Amino acid sequence: EVQLLESGGGLVQPGGSLRLSCAASGITFSSYAMGWVRQAPGQGLEWISAITGGGGDTWHADSVKGRLTISRDNSQRTLYLQMHSLRAEDTAIYYCAKGSDASRPYYFENWGQGTLVTVS
Amino acid sequence: EIVLTQSPGTLSLSPGERATLSCRASQSVSRNYLAWFQQQPGQAPRLLIYGASSRATGIPDRFSGSGSGTDFTLTISRLEPEDFAMYYCQDYASSRTFGQGTRVEIK
Repeated sequence: EVQLLESGGGLVQPGGSLRLSCAASGITFSSYAMGWVRQAPGQGLEWISAITGGGGDTWHADSVKGRLTISRDNSQRTLYLQMHSLRAEDTAIYYCAKGSDASRPYYFENWGQGTLVTVS
Repeated sequence: EIVLTQSPGTLSLSPGERATLSCRASQSVSRNYLAWFQQQPGQAPRLLIYGASSRATGIPDRFSGSGSGTDFTLTISRLEPEDFAMYYCQDYASSRTFGQGTRVEIK
């Protein structure tokens, strides 16, 4: 069974930093692209970042480019999201999601339960 | 960037009725790489449909997806109590953006 467990969320001041982690189990982690999707309170889903299975290629939405950085450690089966220069509008639940393949195109077929980041 | 527009914003129906949700893209979605997700309150999204019409593992056959190019539809043939939720479409070919969602609520 695929399990994705996010951690690292919490309350941070504007301009602060945070690192989110997503520990995966039940899969050959390096065989799948991974991504982050966030959801602000009462709002819809926003795709923000993705990385190929090998970690060689990454993509970030314009709204977070230069401030949020995705990475992965395949030996630890863990996905990361390094967050800098946080703003109030970054307040959201951050979901880790597993892609259907190692590289594009892929759809997000498994999701973690999310971790809440509050910037205030 | 492809913009996805979902309609209606809210669909009020009774259990047992048929639900038809629309997702319209501002440009053609490459190779129909369009996915649908369901989200219950307080829960993570769940994949329902990929490739516009393929059901994900474990998804009941009352859920079906159709369409191509710029117009896509998610149909729930007979609503069960657990189907009342938010639904999102996503273009996973290029922009990876989501539609704004359709809420299916109990009438």
